[in-house]
Amino acid sequence: DIQMAQSPSSVSASVGDRVTITCRASQGLSNWLAWYQQKPGKAPKFLIYAAFNLQSGVPSRFSGSGSGTDFTLTISSLQPEDFGTYYCQQTHSFPYTFGQGTKLEIK
Amino acid sequence: QVQLQESGPGLVKPSETLSLTCTVTGGSINTYYWSWVRQPPGKQLEWIGYVYYNGYTEYNFSLKSRVTMSVDTSNNQFSLKLSSVTAADTALYYCARGGIADRRGAFDYWGQGTLVTVST
Repeated sequence: DIQMAQSPSSVSASVGDRVTITCRASQGLSNWLAWYQQKPGKAPKFLIYAAFNLQSGVPSRFSGSGSGTDFTLTISSLQPEDFGTYYCQQTHSFPYTFGQGTKLEIK
Repeated sequence: QVQLQESGPGLVKPSETLSLTCTVTGGSINTYYWSWVRQPPGKQLEWIGYVYYNGYTEYNFSLKSRVTMSVDTSNNQFSLKLSSVTAADTALYYCARGGIADRRGAFDYWGQGTLVTVST
C-alpha cells in the first residue's frame, strides 16, 4: 500500500493567516492526489483533485500544489469556517489511502 | 443535487455479517464508481472498495476476503457486506461517489455516515 504522511498533525492559526499543510507519499503519485476537509460529526468535504484542481464551489483561498511524492494544501487567508481536520488521499493506485489528518484550529 | 444515504443495523454481533445499503438520489447511479469508506472512532479514513454501475468491483486487499459489494441500478442503490466482523470493524461507515477522469478515485459526494458497532 502507498503510505501517506501529513504534517503537521495539528496547527493553530489566526484569521487572515496563511496556512500550509504538507502530504508526503511513500511512492510517486504523479498528480493523483485529493484533499478533503472534515468537520466534527460531518462527512469529509471534497476540496481539490489531481493535486491542484479546485472542486466547484470551493473558495479560491484554497489551493493545492505538488507532484510525485510531495504535495501541499495552502489556505491563503484563513477564515473562521476553515477549522476542521484536513486529509490528503492518493488516487494513484489501489488501495486508495488517506493521510492521518491535520487538525486545524482557529486561535 | 446528488445525495447519498446509508442504511442498515447499527449493532452487529462478532462473527456475523455487517450489511449496509446506500441509496442515491438526485442523480443516476450509472457511470460512476460507488465506494465505501470507514472511519474508526478518532482514527483516519480507510477505503473499503468500490462497485462500478456495471457490477465491477475493486476491494482493499486488507479486507478483500470478507467484503462483497453489489449494485442495484433499478433502485439506484449499492450495498456492502462485511463478513466475520470483530470489534476492529466498529466504525463510522460512509458511502461515497467516486469520480471519473481527473477526479478518478476521489470522492465528490458523501453520505452522512452510519455508525456500526460490533458488540455482543
